[in-house]
Amino acid sequence: QKEVEQNSGPLSVPEGAIASLNCTYSDRGSQSFFWYRQYSGKSPELIMFIYSNGDKEDGRFTAQLNKASQYVSLLIRDSQPSDSATYLCAVVFLTGGGNKLTFGTGTQLKVEL
Amino acid sequence: DTEVTQTPKHLVMGMTNKKSLKCEQHMGHRAMYWYKQKAKKPPELMFVYSYEKLSINESVPSRFSPECPNSSLLNLHLHALQPEDSALYLCASSQGGTIYNEQFFGPGTRLTVL
Repeated sequence: QKEVEQNSGPLSVPEGAIASLNCTYSDRGSQSFFWYRQYSGKSPELIMFIYSNGDKEDGRFTAQLNKASQYVSLLIRDSQPSDSATYLCAVVFLTGGGNKLTFGTGTQLKVEL
Repeated sequence: DTEVTQTPKHLVMGMTNKKSLKCEQHMGHRAMYWYKQKAKKPPELMFVYSYEKLSINESVPSRFSPECPNSSLLNLHLHALQPEDSALYLCASSQGGTIYNEQFFGPGTRLTVL
C-alpha cells in the first residue's frame, strides 16, 4: 500500500510567524511531490511542486524535499489569516496502470490574529 | 486560459435518476482525471484518461461511467446512485505523458443523492 502521511492538526500559528507543514511518503522511488491548499468548500489549489532534493522557494512559500528520508515539507513565512486552510501533500506513485497522484489526509492550518 | 471548468456546481438527484457531470479545459492538456472527495477527507482518484483513452479505473462501481469525447472534454455519467455517493466530484487536468505533470483542479460539482 503506497501511502502519504500528514499530521491532521489543527496547527495554530500567530500572524507573522512561520508555519511548518510536514509529510512523509512510503515509496522510495517517488519523484514528484506537490502541495495543494484547500479552503473549506472549495477545490484544491496547487501552490508548490518539487522534484529535486533541497529547497524550492516561491514568494512566502518554501518546499523542502529529502528523498533519502522520504520527507517533504512546506514552510509558509509571514503567515497571514488568509493562509488558514487545509494543506494537502500529494505524491505521484508509479502503478501498473500508470502514474497516480495520492494525497495525504491534509493538515489544517489556523493563523491567529 | 488556465482554467478547468465544471458544470453543474450543485446537483441533487434521486436514486433512480440519470445525470451527467461535465468538465472542460482549454490548456491543451492531454490527461484528465475524476476524483471524489468526502467531507474532511482527501480527494480519491476515480478515473484517469490519457490521450483520450481510459488508463486508470480505481475499481469504481459501474453506476459511474466516464467518457472523454475529445481532448478538452470529460464527462461522468451517473445512474442509480446511492446516498453514500454524495460528495464533491472534482475534475483535474495535466499536460500528460510524464510523472512531473502538475494537476489543476476545477471548482467541483457538489452532488447530493436522495
